[in-house]
Amino acid sequence: EDQVTQSPEALRLQEGESSSLNCSYTVSGLRGLFWYRQDPGKGPEFLFTLYSAGEEKEKERLKATLTKKESFLHITAPKPEDSATYLCAVLTSGNTPLVFGKGTRLSVIA
Amino acid sequence: DAGVIQSPRHEVTEMGQEVTLRCKPISGHNSLFWYRQTMMRGLELLIYFNNNVPIDDSGMPEDRFSAKMPNASFSTLKIQPSEPRDSAVYFCASSLGPGGLYFGPGTRLTVT
Repeated sequence: EDQVTQSPEALRLQEGESSSLNCSYTVSGLRGLFWYRQDPGKGPEFLFTLYSAGEEKEKERLKATLTKKESFLHITAPKPEDSATYLCAVLTSGNTPLVFGKGTRLSVIA
Repeated sequence: DAGVIQSPRHEVTEMGQEVTLRCKPISGHNSLFWYRQTMMRGLELLIYFNNNVPIDDSGMPEDRFSAKMPNASFSTLKIQPSEPRDSAVYFCASSLGPGGLYFGPGTRLTVT
């Protein structure tokens, strides 16, 4: 069974304090790994797609990386507006939709 | 584009009542998904459609849940009868092919 595990469950950072969120996966044939951001009371919003080990994508203070077993979402010098829940999801070689992790709740304190 | 549209945004109902959630996907997308989100279980896939045809409904918790997609621009998720444990946020999402999903704002359902 495909599994996606995110850690930590919650992370509290001071403004400017860089850190990383982890997404580890056990799947049968990875076709893609997706990162989403979810604000309270809203639906998840697409951030990045990574397709192969070694690939990196960047957007403002966020950088996503991918290995054969896990993905990291690096947050550099975060600001309070980066506070949200970050979800990762995997698309596998089977004809199945995305499998989501439970997310990491990030709080950035000014 | 208006994005995925869901209605209602909030629904409060009593146990035993029928609940119908509605979704309009992004025009041109050929896949539609219904998810349920709770603190305990995260995002759970309930059912998804390709080209209006239900592909996998194994995530539908019980026979009390049913979903339809009569055309490419509309889908419903119905719960009858509703129970307190159905309280959650229900999301509809659409995509063009596998992969990147676009989510609606969700419907927060409270069953008392």
